[in-house]
Amino acid sequence: NAGVTQTPKFQVLKTGQSMTLQCAQDMNHEYMSWYRQDPGMGLRLIHYSVGAGITDQGEVPNGYNVSRSTTEDFPLRLLSAAPSQTSVYFCASSRATNYEQYFGPGTRLTVT
Amino acid sequence: RKEVEQDPGPFNVPEGATVAFNCTYSNSASQSFFWYRQDCRKEPKLLMSVYSSGNEDGRFTAQLNRASQYISLLIRDSKLSDSATYLCVVNTPQFYFGTGTSLTVIP
Repeated sequence: NAGVTQTPKFQVLKTGQSMTLQCAQDMNHEYMSWYRQDPGMGLRLIHYSVGAGITDQGEVPNGYNVSRSTTEDFPLRLLSAAPSQTSVYFCASSRATNYEQYFGPGTRLTVT
Repeated sequence: RKEVEQDPGPFNVPEGATVAFNCTYSNSASQSFFWYRQDCRKEPKLLMSVYSSGNEDGRFTAQLNRASQYISLLIRDSKLSDSATYLCVVNTPQFYFGTGTSLTVIP
């Protein structure tokens, strides 16, 4: 099993550009989530999904969209990148029975 | 008030020492509790879930005190490989992470 995979590993965007961060898991986990990690702030939940077709907002959802059309994939879309979205983004998945999350390796995003 | 608060440290301890971390949470309806470790520039990895009765995994012991709303992690016989940042996580049911406690184990 590959576990949780994320692409790309690194990305530089200009202000106003849009892009999609990809996340996939092969563990048949119901729960998937996106976090951002900033220095001194810890990980903060952006969006999450408890199953295909169901998504909800986390603590910091503004400027991001998600969809969950399959159990395996949970892409995160940045609509119009801003310098404040410079961060490390982690995707995670877990069973809905225990919520023990497995994380992907992260995407380091810089917005100039 | 933050949902989850941790002492950021750093904790610098000699090999073989016992070290304890505490974490407080603000929402009394919190449902699940976890400890993760994160190595520099890597993804967080689950260390252990925390159960109401307390639980142990080798050198690691986790405790939950619902009345006082805190969880703790005890590491016995510290190894160099334990050097990392330890994150406490609370599910309310949204997930909230603490900012982490840095541990360095010194030879």
